[in-house]
This record gives sequence, C-alpha cells and structure tokens, in this order.
Amino acid sequence: NAGVIQTPRHKVTGKGQEATLWCEPISGHSAVFWYRQTIVQGLEFLTYFRNQAPIDDSGMPKERFSAQMPNQSHSTLKIQSTQPQDSAVYLCASSLLSGNTLYFGEGSRLIVV
Amino acid sequence: AQSVTQPDARVTVSEGASLQLRCKYSYSGTPYLFWYVQYPRQGLQLLLKYYSGDPVVQGVNGFEAEFIKSNSSFHLRKASVHWSDSAVYFCAVSAQWNNNAPRFGAGTKLSVKP
Repeated sequence: NAGVIQTPRHKVTGKGQEATLWCEPISGHSAVFWYRQTIVQGLEFLTYFRNQAPIDDSGMPKERFSAQMPNQSHSTLKIQSTQPQDSAVYLCASSLLSGNTLYFGEGSRLIVV
Repeated sequence: AQSVTQPDARVTVSEGASLQLRCKYSYSGTPYLFWYVQYPRQGLQLLLKYYSGDPVVQGVNGFEAEFIKSNSSFHLRKASVHWSDSAVYFCAVSAQWNNNAPRFGAGTKLSVKP
C-alpha cells in the first residue's frame, strides 16, 4: 500500500509568485491534514478535510493561503503571492478517521527567494 | 483549542543511558495523546498513542509514555537509548471528538552520542 504522496518534493519560487502543492492521501482514508514545519515554529496546523469537506481551517493564514480537496484522491494547498516567510516544509497527512493515527508524507520543501 | 509544550528543544544523551522527553498539553477535556518520530529526511511516524485505560502505553523500539492527568503531561521514556534513536520527537494532542485535528509541539531533537 503506497503511503501519502506529496509533490513536488522541492520547489523554489520567486517572491510574489504562486505555489501549488499536491497531496495524494492513502486510499480509503477519509481525513486529510495539512501542516507547516519550520525550525522556529515547529509543526503548525493549517487545515483539515474529512470526506473532502473542509472541517477546520483555523490555522490557515487568512490571506494568500487556500486549500481544496476536489476528490478523495488528492488535495491541494495554494499560496498566492509567496513571501520569504512562507519558506517551510509543508506536510500532508491522512488518517482513517480524525483522531486516529496520522500517516504523513515526506513533505514539500518550499523556498521563496 | 488544545496545545502542546515540549520545553526541551534539544536533548543529548549517551548511548545506553535512559531517556525522558517532556510533553505537557493544554486541553480541558479528555485528550488523545501521541508521540511521533521524524528520522532525518523522512516523514513523521507514530511511536505510540494513548486513548484510554492504562496510563502507561508501550510503543515501538522500547519506547513508552505515561499519561498523568493531574499534571497534564505525557512524557516519553526509554530505558536504554541507541544511536539510531537520534531523531526529532513530536508530542501531539487531539480532542476526543470527531471534528478535531491533532496539534503538535515544536519537537525535541534527540542526539545520542556513541
């Protein structure tokens, strides 16, 4: 069984450009989570879907960040007008049910120059 | 909302020594508690979890953790560490209801000296 797949693994983008990150959850998992990992902040919660519906986006910066889950096989995190402070590793995880064990992808490292 | 504090950003121990990594959570209800480990260049993996029952839970590779409700703590322990335990360890808490995402601490980087 394949794990959570995240693409791209690395992305370098210029300040002000848009970045889109993709996540393919484990087949059959109903919950998908996005987190952001930095040295300074650690692992920050961004947003969470259950059965493709957005459940909690309380961790998402109100401007420039958006997430979608158009079907059960993938989710996207889009950052508009990227800024240097957006540089981080973005982690996607899935689970059978919320509250259960999370299975993480290897992350997408975003560098904004 | 719930939150987690891991007060030690870095811990260094010698191989064969015992280990305790500290975790304190903030949540008014009954929590689900987790420890995850991130080895270099890998994704996070579950070490152990507490849902209910015996407050001492066993995990993989000889790790265990104890839920102490009165202290809001869930410290991770290992009797004898190996160099391969060098990694970043994350404590996480979620509420015991369905529409809730786990919140993680900042992580503790463990270095094991040979």
